Amino acid sequence: EAGVAQSPRYKIIEKRQSVAFWCNPISGHATLYWYQQILGQGPKLLIQFQNNGVVDDSQLPKDRFSAERLKGVDSTLKIQPAKLEDSAVYLCASSPARRVIAGVGELFFGEGSRLTVL
Amino acid sequence: AQKITQTQPGMFVQEKEAVTLDCTYDTSDQSYGLFWYKQPSSGEMIFLIYQGSYDEQNATEGRYSLNFQKARKSANLVISASQLGDSAMYFCAMREVFAGGTSYGKLTFGQGTILTVHP
Repeated sequence: EAGVAQSPRYKIIEKRQSVAFWCNPISGHATLYWYQQILGQGPKLLIQFQNNGVVDDSQLPKDRFSAERLKGVDSTLKIQPAKLEDSAVYLCASSPARRVIAGVGELFFGEGSRLTVL
Repeated sequence: AQKITQTQPGMFVQEKEAVTLDCTYDTSDQSYGLFWYKQPSSGEMIFLIYQGSYDEQNATEGRYSLNFQKARKSANLVISASQLGDSAMYFCAMREVFAGGTSYGKLTFGQGTILTVHP
């Protein structure tokens, strides 16, 4: 079974530029998450999708971050314009919806996209 | 609001010894799940073990066991017979099952503990 795919693995941009990250979850997983992990910290949830609907985006800085999950499969996270403090690893994770609802079941993570903002 | 606390920024252990990584949590919910993940230097998050709040027995997965003390709200990870490959960052995480109808399913992570295994 293929895991969660993310691209690009690394990205370096200047502040005020824009960047986009792509995620393809495990086939059949209805729930998709984007986490931000700043160096030395635990991952922080940015946004959660259930199919193509947003369940939680309370910690997404909506003035600069946006995310979409068209057709309930792939997802894109965009940052525009980027700030220095956006330097982090952006982790995508997925989970089968039925296990999320039941409260059990781990999240399956991709390898992450490391962003450096200069 | 839920909160996960890992008070040990770093831990050292000798190869083949056991080590305990601490985790305490705070929630007002009765139904929740506790998870431990391992993050090697390569960056991927590897699921290790899960404990449900209603599980009466401590979870075990191979060399990993979870010391669950519900009254104290602690969920410590015990790694037995440490190996060099266990050197990594370890995260404790919690999921509330009924979070007011929203945000269910998300994991909230602690700050992590860096484990170094010495030969």
